Amino acid sequence: GAGVSQTPSNKVTEKGKYVELRCDPISGHTALYWYRQSLGQGPEFLIYFQGTGAADDSGLPNDRFFAVRPEGSVSTLKIQRTERGDSAVYLCASSSVSGANVLTFGAGSRLTVL
Amino acid sequence: AQKITQTQPGMFVQEKEAVTLDCTYDTSDPSYGLFWYKQPSSGEMIFLIYQGSYDQQNATEGRYSLNFQKARKSANLVISASQLGDSAMYFCAMREWDSGYALNFGKGTSLLVTP
Repeated sequence: GAGVSQTPSNKVTEKGKYVELRCDPISGHTALYWYRQSLGQGPEFLIYFQGTGAADDSGLPNDRFFAVRPEGSVSTLKIQRTERGDSAVYLCASSSVSGANVLTFGAGSRLTVL
Repeated sequence: AQKITQTQPGMFVQEKEAVTLDCTYDTSDPSYGLFWYKQPSSGEMIFLIYQGSYDQQNATEGRYSLNFQKARKSANLVISASQLGDSAMYFCAMREWDSGYALNFGKGTSLLVTP
């Protein structure tokens, strides 16, 4: 696609529920990133994929968070047993691996855990 | 430790004036890249400008320029001829090439351009 597409744009869920957030990167971008942005903060790195594999998952806060990218394109961020502290905007970005590796971001998925 | 520091939570500038947004960084990696992103109220992060640690010249992109002072570890963004549409959050970020591909962001500066 022309840009990075994220769905849903808004998700409201109850504490303890499971959620999935989807990211469709720019066609041909092999690198994909997930970030989390809390109110009034800069984006915080969660995980980076190169192709199908997670090359760096050091930013995932705990084992309730998991992400996959089975075919090297679309990625899904999965959050189990959601907590109120998980409320944030989840940003996805993709890049090529040449040059400066400029990240192109999607519009984000706003997650609210009640 | 905070790798990117943006000390100005909020800034005002009058339309058509220039404004400088401050950014300092902390790294021991000799190879790194510095980025500035704009985030309007719509929420999407928009890439503005990039400076590599080995670049001799300061980066420029249209009305944006990066005042790169390597010894001081600062990478200030200069916006010339401010426009009302420049009102947004601005984030400075760094990638350390020896530490992987993660971009580390600062907390941002909110810029308001007034008529």
